[in-house]
Amino acid sequence: DTAVSQTPKYLVTQMGNDKSIKCEQNLGHDTMYWYKQDSKKFLKIMFSYNNKELIINETVPNRFSPKSPDKAHLNLHINSLELGDSAVYFCASSQDPGPGYNEQFFGPGTRLTVL
Amino acid sequence: AQSVTQLDSQVPVFEEAPVELRCNYSSSVSVYLFWYVQYPNQGLQLLLKYLSGSTLVKGINGFEAEFNKSQTSFHLRKPSVHISDTAEYFCAVRGVTGGGNKLTFGTGTQLKVEL
Repeated sequence: DTAVSQTPKYLVTQMGNDKSIKCEQNLGHDTMYWYKQDSKKFLKIMFSYNNKELIINETVPNRFSPKSPDKAHLNLHINSLELGDSAVYFCASSQDPGPGYNEQFFGPGTRLTVL
Repeated sequence: AQSVTQLDSQVPVFEEAPVELRCNYSSSVSVYLFWYVQYPNQGLQLLLKYLSGSTLVKGINGFEAEFNKSQTSFHLRKPSVHISDTAEYFCAVRGVTGGGNKLTFGTGTQLKVEL
């Protein structure tokens, strides 16, 4: 029973292409996140959605567009891919990020390589 | 805003030896603190967390960490490491209020356990 799943696991593509990464969680959580881990393993949040509403949007190029069709899914679409987009992208989910603590559960990651 | 510093990028240690991975944080508000572990080619798994109360927290796999507010530190320790502890370890911080459950990560420490 996978809690947070991502597809594909590996993605190799050419510069300039448009690609999507899908994320699904079966934990019944209200909030989902996208993180980017660069080649030096630095992990930084990109977006967060709560019940399909954007609540965190870090300084990410507008070539990156998250899409949440329902609260169990948060997909990441990337237009005009650049070499610098090569990274591992992690999806995560948690309960509503209101007062108090809610653990984030991470997916296995998608390794994107832009050639 | 919060920030996290993990001064040691790599820590080599022999099996059954003790280990300490250092983490310092900066924040203008009260914080929650976390340690995550990332095994090779896998997602992140929560090792332990400090929310409030006792400053010594115990996690999975025999790890523990101590919150020191005056030194703004949250060092991770294990009295006797095993080969299977070889992984990347990330310290993370989140403000108690606001921020939408945004986690800020350190740059990670690679723990390499040798025979």
